[in-house]
Amino acid sequence: AQSVTQLDSHVSVSEGTPVLLRCNYSSSYSPSLFWYVQHPNKGLQLLLKYTSAATLVKGINGFEAEFKKSETSFHLTKPSAHMSDAAEYFCVVSDRTGNNRKLIWGLGTSLAVNP
Amino acid sequence: ETGVTQSPTHLIKTRGQQVTLRCSSQSGHNTVSWYQQALGQGPQFIFQYYREEENGRGNFPPRFSGLQFPNYSSELNVNALELDDSALYLCASSLGGSGHYNEQFFGPGTRLTVL
Repeated sequence: AQSVTQLDSHVSVSEGTPVLLRCNYSSSYSPSLFWYVQHPNKGLQLLLKYTSAATLVKGINGFEAEFKKSETSFHLTKPSAHMSDAAEYFCVVSDRTGNNRKLIWGLGTSLAVNP
Repeated sequence: ETGVTQSPTHLIKTRGQQVTLRCSSQSGHNTVSWYQQALGQGPQFIFQYYREEENGRGNFPPRFSGLQFPNYSSELNVNALELDDSALYLCASSLGGSGHYNEQFFGPGTRLTVL
């Protein structure tokens, strides 16, 4: 069975400093991995996805993530945090059993950006 | 191209009542997934419908049921509501079928409060 673990429930950074949100996954096959962002009172938005192509994936708003099979990790990074990045971030792995492609979600990491 | 829409946006019910939540999928998508997101938690997979058939189910009791219509819109029905059913219910549409990774597009959600 697939699972995903977000290693930090809360991360706080200063504006302009780098962001690192950590995610480890468990999968019995080559997974599809995603990062979603959820701003307060807004819907979930896909930041980026990994689907067995390039291991370094670039997403929206300057975010990127690197798939590291040897470490079973898919950490999300951004060189310089902006106030608008404050939100809840979810690491997600796809369960690809036949046509049933449900998403398995981490518990989320709350990112705070301080001025 | 229209996005995923859900109705209603907010709903208040009492214990024991029944509720129906609705979702219109994104144009061209044939798969709808429903998730329950309790406050401070990540989304939990309820079930998925692919071409009008249930295509996988999470760990939810039978009083959670659903339908998908020929136009691929969907309903989530919850009978005998309990206090713990209070949550944000998210609908996501995607293009399912063999070979497609499941990038899911989310609606804004329905906030259900059970008193």
